[in-house]
Amino acid sequence: AQRVTQPEKLLSVFKGAPVELKCNYSYSGSPELFWYVQYSRQRLQLLLRHISRESIKGFTADLNKGETSFHLKKPFAQEEDSAMYYCALLTSGTYKYIFGTGTRLKVLA
Amino acid sequence: ETGVTQSPTHLIKTRGQQVTLRCSSQSGHNTVSWYQQALGQGPQFIFQYYREEENGRGNFPPRFSGLQFPNYSSELNVNALELDDSALYLCASSPDRGGYGYTFGSGTRLTVV
Repeated sequence: AQRVTQPEKLLSVFKGAPVELKCNYSYSGSPELFWYVQYSRQRLQLLLRHISRESIKGFTADLNKGETSFHLKKPFAQEEDSAMYYCALLTSGTYKYIFGTGTRLKVLA
Repeated sequence: ETGVTQSPTHLIKTRGQQVTLRCSSQSGHNTVSWYQQALGQGPQFIFQYYREEENGRGNFPPRFSGLQFPNYSSELNVNALELDDSALYLCASSPDRGGYGYTFGSGTRLTVV
């Protein structure tokens, strides 16, 4: 079955510390993976997608097919990064969009 | 360029009733998907419409149905409402069946009593 797992419900880090939000997926086909972010009282919005290999707001994510992971990383956390982060998988052909349960990131001053 | 708009923002229904939620997609987007988000959970994919046809469906019963119109706006219909249907319902649109990611609306909060 297709699944996205985000093992941490809450991740607290100090400002300036590195951040890694974990995402693992289960899918037998060729995955398309995304990270979405939801800031307080705002809509869910796309942060980045693996296929574009971009760095957005200092965040990067690399697809590791061997480990079936797509972890989100940032070398130096900022207070404005505090938000809810969701990893999502798009299945090819069947077009199912599967979200993880999310990780709340708190960046402490 | 307008974003994704959903109506109504809040709704209270009685168990057994039917409800219709509406969504206007972002200009230029031909794909709409719907999600159910319970408190403390990630969005659960209900289905996706591409150019007026359903082309992807999650694990939801047939009483969850939808439509997409020629202008790419969409409706989500839920029949025979159950208490567990109480949730935030999100609509999202994409220019390409989701490959570029989705633009989300702010949701409709449905409460079933």
